[in-house]
This record gives sequence, structure tokens and C-alpha cells, in this order.
Amino acid sequence: LAKTTQPISMDSYEGQEVNITCSHNNIATNDYITWYQQFPSQGPRFIIQGYKTKVTNEVASLFIPADRKSSTLSLPRVSLSDTAVYYCLVGALGDDKIIFGKGTRLHILP
Amino acid sequence: EAQVTQNPRYLITVTGKKLTVTCSQNMNHEYMSWYRQDPGLGLRQIYYSMNVEVTDKGDVPEGYKVSRKEKRNFPLILESPSPNQTSLYFCASSLSPGQGPTGELFFGEGSRLTVL
Repeated sequence: LAKTTQPISMDSYEGQEVNITCSHNNIATNDYITWYQQFPSQGPRFIIQGYKTKVTNEVASLFIPADRKSSTLSLPRVSLSDTAVYYCLVGALGDDKIIFGKGTRLHILP
Repeated sequence: EAQVTQNPRYLITVTGKKLTVTCSQNMNHEYMSWYRQDPGLGLRQIYYSMNVEVTDKGDVPEGYKVSRKEKRNFPLILESPSPNQTSLYFCASSLSPGQGPTGELFFGEGSRLTVL
């Protein structure tokens, strides 16, 4: 399983775009990149998943460069309710051990 | 409604008193897993199951048991709880394991366990 490295915490302000970068230097050919969001005392929730280039949904965008050794989760115009922990995971279909790590604690300020 | 249901949501117990945290999913998922979450340590995988009667250890299996007799249920058993098992526990399921397409994990609401 590829190891991931994310910032421990980040602060931003309401209305700004927030970019959280995840490093995964040992990503394998079959690996996908998945991001989860977790609010306090709740289970993580799937946000977005991608393999290469760019993926966008109603919540976020995921940018993956050609070498796939990193990825960036982009949250447009954040609000206070986006304060949460964000986890970057790397793994392939069939991986049985799914490791979350410590995530990035994002704090949105008014 | 598709969901993963855990019970109990909150429990205070004493050292050595066996307890079971139940987990049930209604999505016909093959893969189920248990995690514990402690401050500063993130989510750590305890046990997982690829399908009925197939279980395996995660990163922190000591002190826990699981069983998968039915596809929908994956109980977590603490035979002799100790204070270091005080934690927030999450059950999760997915159609198929891993992070590729359809590998999205669905989580329960969590069970906060305190062992005195």
C-alpha cells in the first residue's frame, strides 16, 4: 500500500478556495486516490475519487498530475461547515487493508 | 435508506466484562471493517472481512474478536475489555474492498466505548 503524507492542519477563511495536497510517492499503477471528510464524532464520508488528471463533483475537485505522486483536493468557496478532518487514501480495487492515517484538520474561520 | 448501523452508540462498562458492538449493513456489501479512533492517532483498522466466514486482522487486532456468519452483520467482540480500549469505534462496509471504483466505504455513526 502506498503511504500518504498530508499536512496535519490548515486554517482558512470563509469564501476562500482551499487546496489540500497529499503526497504519495510510491503510488502503484493500479492505485486510485480517494478523499474522505470526517466531522467530529461522525464516521468519514466519501468525497471524491480519481485516477489521473482532474475529477470534479458537486463538492470538490481533485487534481492529479501526470506522475501521480501527489494529488490536491480543492474545496471551492469554503464555509464554516467545511471544518473537518480530510483523509487522503491510496489503494487499488482488491486492497483489503484500507489505511486512513491521521488526515488534515481543516479549520475554517469566519 | 442505505446505511450501516452500529449498536450501542454509547457504552460505559467495567474492566473484564465482555461486550459486543453490533454492526449491520443493508447494502449487500461484501467487505466490512472495524476501526477505532483515538485523539492524535487517526483511524486505525482493527479487523476486516472480505466476505462471509472470511476475516483478517488489521493494524490493531489485539483484544478484539470478530465474526462474519452473515453477509450483513459484522459484530466486534471485546472478550475482556480494558481501559486502553476506551475509544470511538466505527464500522464500515463497501461493495468491494479497496479504493478503486465501487470501493467507497460507508461508515456507521460510531460507538463511543468507555472502559472503567
